[in-house]
Amino acid sequence: EDKVVQSPLSLVVHEGDTVTLNCSYEVTNFRSLLWYKQEKKAPTFLFMLTSSGIEKKSGRLSSILDKKELFSILNITATQTGDSAVYLCAAGGGADGLTFGKGTHLIIQP
Amino acid sequence: DAGVIQSPRHEVTEMGQEVTLRCKPISGHNSLFWYRQTMMRGLELLIYFNNNVPIDDSGMPEDRFSAKMPNASFSTLKIQPSEPRDSAVYFCASRPEGFTGELFFGEGSRLTVL
Repeated sequence: EDKVVQSPLSLVVHEGDTVTLNCSYEVTNFRSLLWYKQEKKAPTFLFMLTSSGIEKKSGRLSSILDKKELFSILNITATQTGDSAVYLCAAGGGADGLTFGKGTHLIIQP
Repeated sequence: DAGVIQSPRHEVTEMGQEVTLRCKPISGHNSLFWYRQTMMRGLELLIYFNNNVPIDDSGMPEDRFSAKMPNASFSTLKIQPSEPRDSAVYFCASRPEGFTGELFFGEGSRLTVL
């Protein structure tokens, strides 16, 4: 059975801190690893990673994939209160649907 | 561009009643997915369709759940009879057929069964 595990499940930090969110996966016929941000409604897409070792970056957010260790991290630098959300990791095995982790609930305190 | 459209946004019903959730995927997207989200279990895939044909319904919890896609622009998820443990947010998502990337999610239908 496909599985995605995220850690930590929750995290509280102060504005300006840097955070690292973790995601490990076991997916048959793995094709891609995706990160989403969810703020009380639909998940919104952040990154898709398919190749090991290539960092994807968008502003203060970055992510990297390790296909040998079956692992990905999402980094957020200089956090802001608007970064407070649930961050979801998902792994895809082709044309099938994505398998999601339970998410990391991130709270940024002013 | 219109995204994935779901209705109703909120539904409160009593145990034993029939519930029908609706979804209109993004035009041109041939794959449609139904997910359920709860605090305990996170986002779980219930069923997905390719070109209106159900491909994998192994995530459907039990026979009380059924899903249809009569055409490329409409899908329903039905629960009959509903139970309190069905309370969750139900998301519909779509993407182009064969595309292995992101899913495009609707805003979700929050179901409360009393």
